[in-house]
Amino acid sequence: SAVISQKPSRDICQRGTSLTIQCQVDSQVTMMFWYRQQPGQSLTLIATANQGSEATYESGFVIDKFPISRPNLTFSTLTVSNMSPEDSSIYLCSVRRPQETQYFGPGTRLLVL
Amino acid sequence: AQKVTQAQTEISVVEKEDVTLDCVYETRDTTYYLFWYKQPPSGELVFLIRRNSFDEQNEISGRYSWNFQKSTSSFNFTITASQVVDSAVYFCALSRVTGGGNKLTFGTGTQLKVEL
Repeated sequence: SAVISQKPSRDICQRGTSLTIQCQVDSQVTMMFWYRQQPGQSLTLIATANQGSEATYESGFVIDKFPISRPNLTFSTLTVSNMSPEDSSIYLCSVRRPQETQYFGPGTRLLVL
Repeated sequence: AQKVTQAQTEISVVEKEDVTLDCVYETRDTTYYLFWYKQPPSGELVFLIRRNSFDEQNEISGRYSWNFQKSTSSFNFTITASQVVDSAVYFCALSRVTGGGNKLTFGTGTQLKVEL
């Protein structure tokens, strides 16, 4: 398994501002993922962040809105830029090793006013 | 394209009842992984099980059991003698074994409420 921590655990932000969410893993992993869960909804993949390469974004998500960094094999950040109330969600970091299962961090609850 | 359907939006049971959560999936892959996750009110996503498509044996873990039927593309989850602590949203998910970035495709989730 993997121990994953996220910061902050929750935040309330004003529209038009940006928030950076950090994800730290207790051991090296190749694949890290960022998911969004809007209120009462299922999880949707935002992007895949592999160390040493640009993040790969899913349809409907763009780098200008959700820039991602992956400086090493245990850490990643997701920034939610120019926020609007529609960005209010839980943002979850996830990791997966080849041939292993996928584990999730505790999530960051974001409320945009 | 991959798709996971959890037709039951919400289920309410009384404690000690058995309950089955349904999951039906669609994929063109011949090999794939299926998952169940639990999301309690606190919000974290708790891994319950991963099943490879070539392993059709049913699995039991304590009060939890899973019935994988490849012929009907279903991967149902049964909780025996449910408890209040089982109250949560349960997600079924599907991923490719290789390629596609190994991303998970989630169902819409089933809210389980276990009452005294």
